[in-house]
Amino acid sequence: DTEVTQTPKHLVMGMTNKKSLKCEQHMGHRAMYWYKQKAKKPPELMFVYSYEKLSINESVPSRFSPECPNSSLLNLHLHALQPEDSALYLCASSLGGFTNTGELFFGEGSRLTVL
Amino acid sequence: QQQVKQSPQSLIVQKGGISIINCAYENTAFDYFPWYQQFPGKGPALLIAIRPDVSEKKEGRFTISFNKSAKQFSLHIMDSQPGDSATYFCAASISNYQLIWGAGTKLIIKP
Repeated sequence: DTEVTQTPKHLVMGMTNKKSLKCEQHMGHRAMYWYKQKAKKPPELMFVYSYEKLSINESVPSRFSPECPNSSLLNLHLHALQPEDSALYLCASSLGGFTNTGELFFGEGSRLTVL
Repeated sequence: QQQVKQSPQSLIVQKGGISIINCAYENTAFDYFPWYQQFPGKGPALLIAIRPDVSEKKEGRFTISFNKSAKQFSLHIMDSQPGDSATYFCAASISNYQLIWGAGTKLIIKP
């Protein structure tokens, strides 16, 4: 199994809603990442979990709250988002820790629209 | 110094032709240079990667050429096919969380 699975694929939410994005991998990877991607732009790193601990937070607003319940799961909790937060949210994983170099395996992403 | 400059922004190539995408970097500490391919509605997927101790790496129709002295690397797609139409991102990194992405090249292969 070489997949990173993200749910939901599409999400529409109002600015007062609370929702969550979910990510799962069963490759035994020890680092998991959240990226945000706007149209026609490269992915932007948001958070990194390494060995289930939050290791990197790229100055992301607190309306985005990550959670890593175990080594296979990664969540992104969303609250009081703004329309400019509409984007494709990508989860990725890597075999080694976040300080190593190597292949990042990406999920298909969750397309978020904030109304 | 942390930038990776990618060109062209878009590229149209006839089927069977050679597609060439170029990237340049400044930080000599980078030690890993991957290329990711992204189809519409999908996440990026690693296509091919190179480390600075080799000048060329080939995988099927895809080749990375690496020029350490010029701080440049490029992706060549031989015998380009319509199925290669996608956005291609070069990147450079010291670690996975310090992956610096190029701006992307939208490649269209015309039948």
